[in-house]
Amino acid sequence: AQSVTQLGSHVSVSEGALVLLRCNYSSSVPPYLFWYVQYPNQGLQLLLKYTTGATLVKGINGFEAEFKKSETSFHLTKPSAHMSDAAEYFCAVSVDSSASKIIFGSGTRLSIRP
Amino acid sequence: DAGVTQSPTHLIKTRGQQVTLRCSPKSGHDTVSWYQQALGQGPQFIFQYYEEEERQRGNFPDRFSGHQFPNYSSELNVNALLLGDSALYLCASSFPTSGLSSYEQYFGPGTRLTVT
Repeated sequence: AQSVTQLGSHVSVSEGALVLLRCNYSSSVPPYLFWYVQYPNQGLQLLLKYTTGATLVKGINGFEAEFKKSETSFHLTKPSAHMSDAAEYFCAVSVDSSASKIIFGSGTRLSIRP
Repeated sequence: DAGVTQSPTHLIKTRGQQVTLRCSPKSGHDTVSWYQQALGQGPQFIFQYYEEEERQRGNFPDRFSGHQFPNYSSELNVNALLLGDSALYLCASSFPTSGLSSYEQYFGPGTRLTVT
């Protein structure tokens, strides 16, 4: 069975500081990995995805993530945090080539200090 | 281009009642998935509809059922509501046969269901 663990339900960083949100996955087959962002009272927006190929994936809003098979990790980073990055972030995994069933982690709330 | 739309935005029901939530997929998408997001939790997959049939299902009881119409819109029905069914219900659409873009699901804003 597939699962996702997000380390830290809440992360707080200063504006301009590095953002690091941690995600580990469990999958018996090569996974497809995603990061989604959810702003208050809104649906989820895809930040980036790893399917095959290059293990460093760049997404929207300056975010990127690196797929490390040996560590079963897919951590999300951004070099410099902006106030507008404050939101809930979800890591997710699918083992279906059509992503028909996505398994989400429990989420990490990112707060940005002025 | 309209994204995924859901109705209603909010809904309050009483235990034991039945509820129907509606979803219109993004233009050009033919597949609809439904998720339940309890407060403080990540979304949980309920089921997915493609070509008017349920293609995959998560670990949800038969009280949760759905339907997809010829225009690809979808409904989620929940019978015999329990307090624990209170959650944000998210609809997502995708187009599985479009290559790599099939991995991306576009989410609607959700319907907030409160069961009292």
